[in-house]
Amino acid sequence: DSGVTQTPKHLITATGQRVTLRCSPRSGDLSVYWYQQSLDQGLQFLIQYYNGEERAKGNILERFSAQQFPDLHSELNLSSLELGDSALYFCASSTTQGAQTEAFFGQGTRLTVV
Amino acid sequence: KNEVEQSPQNLTAQEGEFITINCSYSVGISALHWLQQHPGGGIVSLFMLSSGKKKHGRLIATINIQEKHSSLHITASHPRDSAVYICAGLNRKLIWGLGTSLAVNP
Repeated sequence: DSGVTQTPKHLITATGQRVTLRCSPRSGDLSVYWYQQSLDQGLQFLIQYYNGEERAKGNILERFSAQQFPDLHSELNLSSLELGDSALYFCASSTTQGAQTEAFFGQGTRLTVV
Repeated sequence: KNEVEQSPQNLTAQEGEFITINCSYSVGISALHWLQQHPGGGIVSLFMLSSGKKKHGRLIATINIQEKHSSLHITASHPRDSAVYICAGLNRKLIWGLGTSLAVNP
């Protein structure tokens, strides 16, 4: 158990809908990273938050947004869902902003858009 | 071209074989992370290293900062080692390789 909790584990929804994925980092970790893993793309970095502030942005679509709350949990919002958004979404947490830091991963949320 | 490249993409081995997975990167990083993803999707952190060599059980990871290259070795491989192995360079964020899919046959 990495200590990072993601909910829900599975989500099935229709095109055009909006979903929210939740991540609770390990106790004491200030950094949260979001990743998307689809079959043909490998792991794609989406966005990183550190202590409530956005720190780095990767290949995140405009239809997607994220935030980190004062209690350090994070939510990834996906809207106007398309079939191609079906993927495994991981969050990871670490103690600092990145350098020399191990990241610990949640079990992922498997999103299926039908 | 990806900033972090892994080879091979796919690897099949017989139980007991010595396995090497390579990772090369073209960007400045402060450390390199090796992770293992099981068929069910769960990701486990194996190593984080910034120089030299680390060993944990049958796994050994090495890194050469000057050559921008790291290797993950598995000694006496076992079918339970079958997984995807991913290297990631650490900068302000993790820069991922696409992974090496390893299958170890009994």
